[in-house]
Amino acid sequence: GQNIDQPTEMTATEGAIVQINCTYQTSGFNGLFWYQQHAGEAPTFLSYNVLDGLEEKGRFSSFLSRSKGYSYLLLKELQMKDSASYLCASMDSNYQLIWGAGTKLIIKP
Amino acid sequence: DAGVIQSPRHEVTEMGQEVTLRCKPISGHDYLFWYRQTMMRGLELLIYFNNNVPIDDSGMPEDRFSAKMPNASFSTLKIQPSEPRDSAVYFCASSLPGEANVLTFGAGSRLTVL
Repeated sequence: GQNIDQPTEMTATEGAIVQINCTYQTSGFNGLFWYQQHAGEAPTFLSYNVLDGLEEKGRFSSFLSRSKGYSYLLLKELQMKDSASYLCASMDSNYQLIWGAGTKLIIKP
Repeated sequence: DAGVIQSPRHEVTEMGQEVTLRCKPISGHDYLFWYRQTMMRGLELLIYFNNNVPIDDSGMPEDRFSAKMPNASFSTLKIQPSEPRDSAVYFCASSLPGEANVLTFGAGSRLTVL
């Protein structure tokens, strides 16, 4: 079957670094996406990885290991506004997104 | 661009009533997706369109749900009759040609069925 696993909730301190992990099992693979969703709002696109390695985009970086079926989202210099849910989604062989349940990130001052 | 526009933002209705949710995608986006989000089940794809044609509706829960896209700038999701278990946030999303899964979501329609 198809499955995306990510932690339900994480807590971190303002100014610190946090890593949100995601493991995936999908029928085929055409890329791994991360979306951010603030409470009561719509998801917004953060990153896309299709090749192994680290993609850096400002304070946010995303990593992919295809052989391990593993990705992480790294958030540096955490700010209070980073409090949100982070959704991992894998694109399967039919180019359909399989979504994880999301990781709720709580930032404390 | 105003982004993906959905209406209504909130709807409260009684069981058995018909509900119609509306979506205007971003101009030039040729993929349109309808999602449902609940705490229990997360984000679920209901149906998606390419160039106004329904491609995959396997996520539509049952015959009570229907979706149409009469033109490139408008889509509807209809539930008839509605049930309390349909209570959720319904998101419409669109994407550019060639980037089928970099989605831009609308603000969502929060549906409560009493």
